[in-house]
Amino acid sequence: KQEVTQIPAALSVPEGENLVLNCSFTDSAIYNLQWFRQDPGKGLTSLLLIQSSQREQTSGRLNASLDKSSGRSTLYIAASQPGDSATYLCAQGDDYKLSFGAGTTVTVRA
Amino acid sequence: DAGITQSPRHKVTETGTPVTLRCHQTENHRYMYWYRQDPGHGLRLIHYSYGVKDTDKGEVSDGYSVSRSKTEDFLLTLESATSSQTSVYFCAISESGQGYGYTFGSGTRLTVV
Repeated sequence: KQEVTQIPAALSVPEGENLVLNCSFTDSAIYNLQWFRQDPGKGLTSLLLIQSSQREQTSGRLNASLDKSSGRSTLYIAASQPGDSATYLCAQGDDYKLSFGAGTTVTVRA
Repeated sequence: DAGITQSPRHKVTETGTPVTLRCHQTENHRYMYWYRQDPGHGLRLIHYSYGVKDTDKGEVSDGYSVSRSKTEDFLLTLESATSSQTSVYFCAISESGQGYGYTFGSGTRLTVV
């Protein structure tokens, strides 16, 4: 059974600080690793997708890395803003489904 | 989200009653999924479909059934709702099914009293 773990469950930082969100997974034979953002009462929005052959992906202030040997992925958000406050979920993709972590809820204080 | 609609958005029902949630897509994607989200558990897969009338179980399928008679509609049925099925239910669609290219609906908040 694939397990995806995200620690910490919640994080609060002052505006401008860099965010580091961690995700660990148990199945090294993954197809891909994805990061999603979820705002309260809303669905999920895809942020970054890292294929198993890749080491990292970048989009604007966001950078995600993938280390299959250690079973870890990290999402970096540079120069955080109050608008970055949300829950961030990572998900391991295999041949037909996604397995999700429980998420890290981020609060960026103005 | 554009291309995928869930109904109803909110529902309160009594224990023991049947409930059907609907997911409708306009993207003509082959794969459709039902997930539930509970505090501390992230999203867990209930059932998924890889084509019309082709469905399979996920990790938390007990107490749920699904049907897909048309490409665009994927129905999730709770035959006899229980309080443990109080949750937020998300539908998702994917063209490839290979763990990427997902679009999620806005969710259905179901409360069983």
